[in-house]
Amino acid sequence: NAGVTQTPKFQVLKTGQSMTLQCAQDMNHEYMSWYRQDPGMGLRLIHYSVGAGITDQGEVPNGYNVSRSTTEDFPLRLLSAAPSQTSVYFCASRRTEGNTEAFFGQGTRLTVV
Amino acid sequence: DAKTTQPPSMDCAEGRAANLPCNHSTISGNEYVYWYRQIHSQGPQYIIHGLKNNETNEMASLIITEDRKSSTLILPHATLRDTAVYYCIVRSLNNAGNMLTFGGGTRLMVKP
Repeated sequence: NAGVTQTPKFQVLKTGQSMTLQCAQDMNHEYMSWYRQDPGMGLRLIHYSVGAGITDQGEVPNGYNVSRSTTEDFPLRLLSAAPSQTSVYFCASRRTEGNTEAFFGQGTRLTVV
Repeated sequence: DAKTTQPPSMDCAEGRAANLPCNHSTISGNEYVYWYRQIHSQGPQYIIHGLKNNETNEMASLIITEDRKSSTLILPHATLRDTAVYYCIVRSLNNAGNMLTFGGGTRLMVKP
């Protein structure tokens, strides 16, 4: 198992550009989510999904869109990048049943100039 | 989910036990205590979790007070590779979608 895979690892965007951060997991987990982490701070939840076709907003959803067409993939779209979206983005997944641990990807470091 | 309070930083000598405290005085009966750590901007890594009984695994031990208002994560023999930010998180089983709420954590520095 590869676990949770995020691509790209690094990205530089110009203000106003759009892009998609990819997240894939091969553990057949129902729950997937996206977090952002700003320097010196904890992670904040952007969007999450409890299964294919179902998504919902987290704490800081503005400026981001998500979709979940398959169990494996949960892409995060930046529609019009802003410098305030400069951050490290983490994707996570876990099973539905029980009190289970979350598995995190290694992150995408995004800089918007 | 209940809020948690952790010291912002701690030091520990290599080979000694690291005891990381967490206060969660507003925890409710169906909320679990989770611990994760983040090593140098990598993705967070699960360590351990518990409800009211003490728990132990290959990484650490979790001691939860009888009133469940606080807990301590114990790394029995800290190594330099345990230097990381440690997050104490309280989460309800009913909180199905909102996975985890991270606070500031404790930055543990293990020194030779």
